[in-house]
Amino acid sequence: GAVVSQHPSWVICKSGTSVKIECRSLDFQATTMFWYRQFPKQSLMLMATSNEGSKATYEQGVEKDKFLINHASLTLSTLTVTSAHPEDSSFYICSAREIRGRGTEAFFGQGTRLTVV
Amino acid sequence: DAKTTQPPSMDCAEGRAANLPCNHSTISGNEYVYWYRQIHSQGPQYIIHGLKNNETNEMASLIITEDRKSSTLILPHATLRDTAVYYCIVRVPGNQGGKLIFGQGTELSVKP
Repeated sequence: GAVVSQHPSWVICKSGTSVKIECRSLDFQATTMFWYRQFPKQSLMLMATSNEGSKATYEQGVEKDKFLINHASLTLSTLTVTSAHPEDSSFYICSAREIRGRGTEAFFGQGTRLTVV
Repeated sequence: DAKTTQPPSMDCAEGRAANLPCNHSTISGNEYVYWYRQIHSQGPQYIIHGLKNNETNEMASLIITEDRKSSTLILPHATLRDTAVYYCIVRVPGNQGGKLIFGQGTELSVKP
């Protein structure tokens, strides 16, 4: 299947700082990428849909000013957690949809473990 | 997209077949059944999908009942590395931009 890469795999930051997470589709072009958050022992929760060249669409209850999403190219989307607080500590996962894909259209990155201290 | 119901956890002996059920009684005619799994601290991995016919690939088999209200994912010879949370999702391919909504899944523990 197609490969989606996230960077970094893990990050520790101080409270109040911002952290940027990158999501790249390595061998296909993705007009749409998705960002999820997962707390321990819980399922994945969709945060937002990132569309290349346009504003992201956020799920209800997700603060768009806190979780900035940029989808500058067909292979890269970034999620910036601004003014991070300990409650933002979580596992963040992106997925990408192949342009011509049907069926097996969602491929996931390996995730980024964010710890805010 | 239709909702699914899965048992929260299951055990399976190594080398035996693991049969993971999923109930999707409200599935509509154009919705596919997808299976993903998530090994601890990793991103979800696609396993298989189907519409109404049974499907098989190198990882697993998917058996969908004739009325399509339920399905079973079969791992024919489970190994310890198959220990993971398995998610059953029903949706229309490409619907809502292709996003997947995850339920709670089934935590499969493969034991020696």
